[in-house]
Amino acid sequence: DAGVIQSPRHEVTEMGQEVTLRCKPISGHDYLFWYRQTMMRGLELLIYFNNNVPIDDSGMPEDRFSAKMPNASFSTLKIQPSEPRDSAVYFCASSSLADSWGGYTFGSGTRLTVV
Amino acid sequence: AQKVTQAQTEISVVEKEDVTLDCVYETRDTTYYLFWYKQPPSGELVFLIRRNSFDEQNEISGRYSWNFQKSTSSFNFTITASQVVDSAVYFCPARTGANNLFFGTGTRLTVIP
Repeated sequence: DAGVIQSPRHEVTEMGQEVTLRCKPISGHDYLFWYRQTMMRGLELLIYFNNNVPIDDSGMPEDRFSAKMPNASFSTLKIQPSEPRDSAVYFCASSSLADSWGGYTFGSGTRLTVV
Repeated sequence: AQKVTQAQTEISVVEKEDVTLDCVYETRDTTYYLFWYKQPPSGELVFLIRRNSFDEQNEISGRYSWNFQKSTSSFNFTITASQVVDSAVYFCPARTGANNLFFGTGTRLTVIP
C-alpha cells in the first residue's frame, strides 16, 4: 500500500484566496482524520470521519474551514477565505479499528503558507 | 479530561548516551491506547509503538525500549546508545474510545555527534 497520500506537499497562497487540501486514505481504512500542526498549538485534531460521515468537527477553527469525504478514498479540507494565521502543516491520517494495533497512519502533510 | 504531558521540551545528548523521554497521561477511560511517534526534521510522523491499557508488558526493539506503568500513568521511552539519526521530535499521543488521538507538546531530542 502506498500509505496515506496528501497533496499538495507545499502550498503558498495569498490572503483571501481559497485553498483546498487533498487526502487519499489507506484502502480499507474506515476512519479519516485531519490534524493541524503549528508551533503555538502543536498537533490538534480538526475533524474526523467514520465511513465517510463527519463524526466530530469541534476542532474546526471557524466557518472558513470545511471538510468533505465524498467517498472512501478521498477527502478534502477547504479554507475560504484563507488568512495568514492559517499557515501550518496539515496532516491527514487514516485508521481502521479492525487493525490489531489501532494506530493511525499519517500522510506526509501539506505545508500551507498564507501571505 | 484527557491529557498527555511531555514535560521535557528539549533534550540534548551526546551520541552513544542513553536517553529517556517521559510521558504522563490522564484519562478517565478504562480502555485506552498509548503510542509513540517520531517526527524527524523531514516532517512526517512515524509510528513507533502502541500499548493498550490492559497490557503493561515492557517492550524492547533494538535500541528502543518502552516502560508502561499504569500505577503512575506513565509511558516512558528509552533510546540506548543514541545516534544522530535519532534526532527528532517525539510524541506520545493517547487514544480513547472517542477515537481522537490527542497529542502532547512533544519532546525535541538532539543527538550531538
